[in-house]
Amino acid sequence: AQSVTQPDIHITVSEGASLELRCNYSYGATPYLFWYVQSPGQGLQLLLKYFSGDTLVQGIKGFEAEFKRSQSSFNLRKPSVHWSDAAEYFCAVAGDSSYKLIFGSGTRLLVRP
Amino acid sequence: GAGVSQSPSNKVTEKGKDVELRCDPISGHTALYWYRQRLGQGLEFLIYFQGNSAPDKSGLPSDRFSAERTGESVSTLTIQRTQQEDSAVYLCASRTSGPRNEQFFGPGTRLTVL
Repeated sequence: AQSVTQPDIHITVSEGASLELRCNYSYGATPYLFWYVQSPGQGLQLLLKYFSGDTLVQGIKGFEAEFKRSQSSFNLRKPSVHWSDAAEYFCAVAGDSSYKLIFGSGTRLLVRP
Repeated sequence: GAGVSQSPSNKVTEKGKDVELRCDPISGHTALYWYRQRLGQGLEFLIYFQGNSAPDKSGLPSDRFSAERTGESVSTLTIQRTQQEDSAVYLCASRTSGPRNEQFFGPGTRLTVL
């Protein structure tokens, strides 16, 4: 069965510092991978997605993620964090029925001024 | 250019009562999902509608949960005889046809069962 692990429940970084949020997935074939952000009181917004091709994916708001098949990882990165990036981040993989997303438990990002 | 809307935004109910949650998808979106998000956890798939096809109900946790969708419009999620463990945020998402297409999420309904 497909699964997604986000090992960090909380991460705190200083504004302007770089960020990496970890995501590991379990899936036998080439996965479809997604990162979503959830700001307080708002719905989830798609940051980026990977289906095939270039393993480094660019997204909105300056985020990028790299698909590493050998490590079953799809880590999210940003070179310089802004205070407005404070939110909850979810990694997801599309399962065998590709329309169904399996979500990780999320990582809450706190940004120090 | 309205997004996915959900109502109510908050619902407090007593154990044993029935509740009905509503989702208005983006116009033209053929696919609609319901998810449950418990406190501190990720999203849990509940049910999926695609056009006039039979819905995928594999995520519904018990027969107290049901959902309907009329055509490609509004959907309602009904929870009968609510229990305290039903307390969660219920999220709705819609997308155009094609499973790789982005799901657009509503703001959710926060359900509290006392």
